[in-house]
Amino acid sequence: SQKIEQNSEALNIQEGKTATLTCNYTNYSPAYLQWYRQDPGRGPVFLLLIRENEKEKRKERLKVTFDTTLKQSLFHVTASQPADSATYLCALAADSGNTPLVFGKGTRLSVIA
Amino acid sequence: GAVVSQHPSRVICKSGTSVKIECRSLDFQATTMFWYRQFPKQSLMLMATSNEGSKATYEQGVEKDKFLINHASLTLSTLTVTSAHPEDSSFYICSARIDGQGQNSPLHFGNGTRLTVT
Repeated sequence: SQKIEQNSEALNIQEGKTATLTCNYTNYSPAYLQWYRQDPGRGPVFLLLIRENEKEKRKERLKVTFDTTLKQSLFHVTASQPADSATYLCALAADSGNTPLVFGKGTRLSVIA
Repeated sequence: GAVVSQHPSRVICKSGTSVKIECRSLDFQATTMFWYRQFPKQSLMLMATSNEGSKATYEQGVEKDKFLINHASLTLSTLTVTSAHPEDSSFYICSARIDGQGQNSPLHFGNGTRLTVT
């Protein structure tokens, strides 16, 4: 069956350190993968998109990698700050058509001052 | 830009009544909108894809007669939970893709509606 797994439900990290979140998928062949941030009681906000032919994408202190062999994406928050505390969701489409996104359960990141 | 407005943000209703949730794209057109439901500490679960001018496409296990979707214009989709029951209590979130940006483009989400059925 198809699965998207974010293997940590919660991650606590000291301010200033780099947080690394993992997203693994099974029985998908996505052309791209997206990462979103969700704050409590709010809708998700888009952060980054990475395509299957891209190894790495950066946006300010965020970095995403995509390994189609391992079927894995890593999401890094460098020089983390308490304001980075949120739930981070990975999402992918089942195929390259106009299909809706399927989301992982998310990892709740807490950055401790 | 790319703001999606969802109303109401919270609603409490009695069992057996119906509740309508509105989702508007404020500064872009969206032929396609998506409705998700989220339970605490769970993933966003897609309920249906809403298409302007045509019938919605429902995911397996979602009752179309219970969750009525109307996509009346390029900026408005509504979800009506009919004959609500306590088990329908959840966080409902709509999202939209900007027309013309392609199928890989990101989704823009509303801030969700917390529905509590008593």
